[in-house]
Amino acid sequence: AQSVTQLGSHVSVSEGALVLLRCNYSSSVPPYLFWYVQYPNQGLQLLLKYTSAATLVKGINGFEAEFKKSETSFHLTKPSAHMSDAAEYFCAVRKTSYDKVIFGPGTSLSVIP
Amino acid sequence: DGGITQSPKYLFRKEGQNVTLSCEQNLNHDAMYWYRQDPGQGLRLIYYSQIVNDFQKGDIAEGYSVSREKKESFPLTVTSAQKNPTAFYLCASSIVGTLTGELFFGEGSRLTVL
Repeated sequence: AQSVTQLGSHVSVSEGALVLLRCNYSSSVPPYLFWYVQYPNQGLQLLLKYTSAATLVKGINGFEAEFKKSETSFHLTKPSAHMSDAAEYFCAVRKTSYDKVIFGPGTSLSVIP
Repeated sequence: DGGITQSPKYLFRKEGQNVTLSCEQNLNHDAMYWYRQDPGQGLRLIYYSQIVNDFQKGDIAEGYSVSREKKESFPLTVTSAQKNPTAFYLCASSIVGTLTGELFFGEGSRLTVL
């Protein structure tokens, strides 16, 4: 069965510093991978998705993620954190559009002024 | 604008009462889903439906029921059999048969049992 691991349930960074949120998946074949962001008391919003077209994926709000098959990883990065980036971030994996989406436990990002 | 509408946003209920959460989408998506989210936990799948008049249990279906009579609607009933119903409930939809089928989410409904 597929699974998703997010290292670090809470991450704190200073404003302007690099944001790095880790995601590792277990899958026998390269799946489709997603990063979602959730602000308090709101639904999830898609940040970016990996579809095998390119290993480096650019998303909204300056975020990007790199798919590394050898490491089964899909880490999310942003060069310079902004206060508005404080939120919960979820990594997710899906084998095909007919399969269930498997979510990681989430990482709460705090940005310190 | 296309999207998913969940209502109500906040709901309070007494123990022993059934409540129904509404989810409507105008994205013309085939599949719809209900997730439960508890503090500090990820999303857990309650029920999903990939076609009208058909739905499947997710990982935590006990104490919940759904219907899918129309493509755009997928209401969730939290029954009195659900032992711990206080949670944040999220509805989502997706296209079936596309390359990735990413989920689109509503704004959520927060249920509190008094």
